Amino acid sequence: NAGVTQTPKFQVLKTGQSMTLQCAQDMNHNSMYWYRQDPGMGLRLIYYSASEGTTDKGEVPNGYNVSRLNKREFSLRLESAAPSQTSVYFCASSHGETQYFGPGTRLLVL
Amino acid sequence: AQSVAQPEDQVNVAEGNPLTVKCTYSVSGNPYLFWYVQYPNRGLQFLLKYITGDNLVKGSYGFEAEFNKSQTSFHLKKPSALVSDSALYFCAASSSNTGKLIFGQGTTLQVKP
Repeated sequence: NAGVTQTPKFQVLKTGQSMTLQCAQDMNHNSMYWYRQDPGMGLRLIYYSASEGTTDKGEVPNGYNVSRLNKREFSLRLESAAPSQTSVYFCASSHGETQYFGPGTRLLVL
Repeated sequence: AQSVAQPEDQVNVAEGNPLTVKCTYSVSGNPYLFWYVQYPNRGLQFLLKYITGDNLVKGSYGFEAEFNKSQTSFHLKKPSALVSDSALYFCAASSSNTGKLIFGQGTTLQVKP
């Protein structure tokens, strides 16, 4: 099992550009999550998906959209990147109460 | 508002000494509590969790945590620290399994030989 995988590992964008962060899990989990990690702030929930076909906003959803493509895949899209979105993005999945995290995508917006 | 606090940005201990990383929470209802560890340039790894039952929870790599309802705390402990335990530790909580974790800001553990 690969667990939770994320692509790309690192990306540099210019302000206003768009991109999609990909996440996939092979653990047959129902729930998937997107977080951002910023220094001194822990992880903050952007969006989550309790099951295939459903998505809900988390604590910091502004500037992001998500798609739960199927049970395995949950993508995060930045339509018009801003410097404030420079961060490390983590995807996670869970079946019960424990969440399992991917390795992260480091995003720099210039 | 619900929150998790880790009052120490950094904890320094000598190898072989016991370590404690502190966490307090403010969550409605019966909380689910978690500890995760993050090594440099890696994702978060699950260490242990408290859902219900015994207040002392044992987890991976010799770590344990004690749930204290009256003090709303869930401190992470290890009897004898290793240099390899040096990492960033996160405490997290959710309210009765909503699935939405609230994270503390993280505590850097530095274990010196």
